[in-house]
Amino acid sequence: QVQLQQWGAGLLKPSETLSLTCGVSGGAFSGYYWIWIRQPPGKGLEWIGEINHSGIINYTPSLKSRVTISVDSSKNQFSLKMSSVTAADTAVYYCARGNLYKIVNWGQGTLVTVSS
Amino acid sequence: DIQMTQSPSTLSASVGDRVTITCRASQSISSWLAWYQQKPGKAPKVLIYKASSLESGVPSRFSGSGSGTEFTLTISSLQPDDFATYYCQQSNRYPWTFGQGTKVEIK
Repeated sequence: QVQLQQWGAGLLKPSETLSLTCGVSGGAFSGYYWIWIRQPPGKGLEWIGEINHSGIINYTPSLKSRVTISVDSSKNQFSLKMSSVTAADTAVYYCARGNLYKIVNWGQGTLVTVSS
Repeated sequence: DIQMTQSPSTLSASVGDRVTITCRASQSISSWLAWYQQKPGKAPKVLIYKASSLESGVPSRFSGSGSGTEFTLTISSLQPDDFATYYCQQSNRYPWTFGQGTKVEIK
């Protein structure tokens, strides 16, 4: 059974960089899409971006200038960095695994709060 | 970006009711649509993919239909475990986008 376990700082000050990592166990790492999604408190889901099995990275345009997604296949991990965070970036961040049709496996979620 | 609009935003229903949620895309997405169920404090769970394919392990009371710009998720007989928020999501074109969600509440 594939499990995604994510970790990273949960409290940031404005202008700092968000950094989250997601470790994958119990399943293949290659051949999938590795995805980051966030959900502000009480609101809906927002797709941040993904790196697919071909190494191609896609970001949502509104965050593209601040976001970097990377993969370390040797460690079965992928990461999200988001620079210059503001209060508007406060959300639960999920890592996930999927394909073109569906997002099947999700991490447990990390609440990231941006506050001075 | 492709906008996904769900209706209704909130739905009040009773156990045993037939429930239908609609998702409309701002442009054609063929059948590149998935439906997810999310319960409070939990990650979403995929129910339907490719508009009408039932994910393994998901009860058969859930079904999906549609193509192009209009899609529906139907729960044939609402069960207590089904009270949750439901999201549609398109993967036809980047950026992938979600609907705003439909909360199914107890009537």
